[in-house]
Amino acid sequence: QVQLVQSGADVKKPGASVKVSCKASGYTFTSYDINWVRQATGQGLEWMGWMNPNRGNTVYAQKFQGRVNMTSNTSIRTAYMELSSLRSEDTAVYYCARADGFFGFDIWGHGTMVTVSS
Amino acid sequence: DIQMTQSPSSLSASVGDRVSITCQASQDISNYLNWYQQKAGKAPKLLIYDASDLETGVPSRFSGNGSGTDFTFTISSLQPEDIATYYCQHYDNLPRYTFGQGTKLEIK
Repeated sequence: QVQLVQSGADVKKPGASVKVSCKASGYTFTSYDINWVRQATGQGLEWMGWMNPNRGNTVYAQKFQGRVNMTSNTSIRTAYMELSSLRSEDTAVYYCARADGFFGFDIWGHGTMVTVSS
Repeated sequence: DIQMTQSPSSLSASVGDRVSITCQASQDISNYLNWYQQKAGKAPKLLIYDASDLETGVPSRFSGNGSGTDFTFTISSLQPEDIATYYCQHYDNLPRYTFGQGTKLEIK
C-alpha cells in the first residue's frame, strides 16, 4: 500500500545537525512533492518546506531558510530533511508528507522524534 | 504573510451534536484551504481539500465551506471517534503552507 516510512528517533546536542529519512512505497515517488512538517510536544503543526524528487527543486519556510536542506535519492525512493545548528527549540516530532498537487497532504509518515539536549 | 486564525482553540460537545470550527484568513485566499484531523499520538489525516471537497474515504458527516477570508469546518453529528485536534491549512501558489493554531475537540 501507499506509505511513507521514516527513520527512528534521534538525540542530538545543541549545534549539531540531524538528518531524517522518509522512504516511499506503493506509488511513483517522482510524481509527488514531499513536504516536512514538525510538531513540538503539545503544540501545533509547523510547515518547514517541500522538495520535488523529480526536479530536485525546493521551497522552504522563511523561518528555516539557511538551516534546512531537503534532498532525495530516487534510486531508493527516499527523501531526506537535514536541519543544522540545532537548538533546544527544535525538539519535536518531524513528519514527512506527500502532497497531491495542491490538494493537500494525503499520505503522512509516522513521525520521527528528534530531541536536542546537552 | 497571510495569517490564519482558527477558533475556538478548544471545544467540548456531546455525541450527536453538530460541531463547527472556523478559520479566518488575513486576506482573500480564494478556496486555498484544507482541513486535517489529528488524533493523539498519530500523524494528521487529510479530511477536506480546496475548502469543501471531501477526501476519498472520509465520512460524509465531515464538511467544509467558505471562500475568500472565512471558512467553516463542520461535523454534522459528532461521534466518539471524532475526538481529535483539527487544523486548517492555507496554501499559496508556490505553494507555501500555513497551518491554523488547531482546535482540540473533546466529548462532553
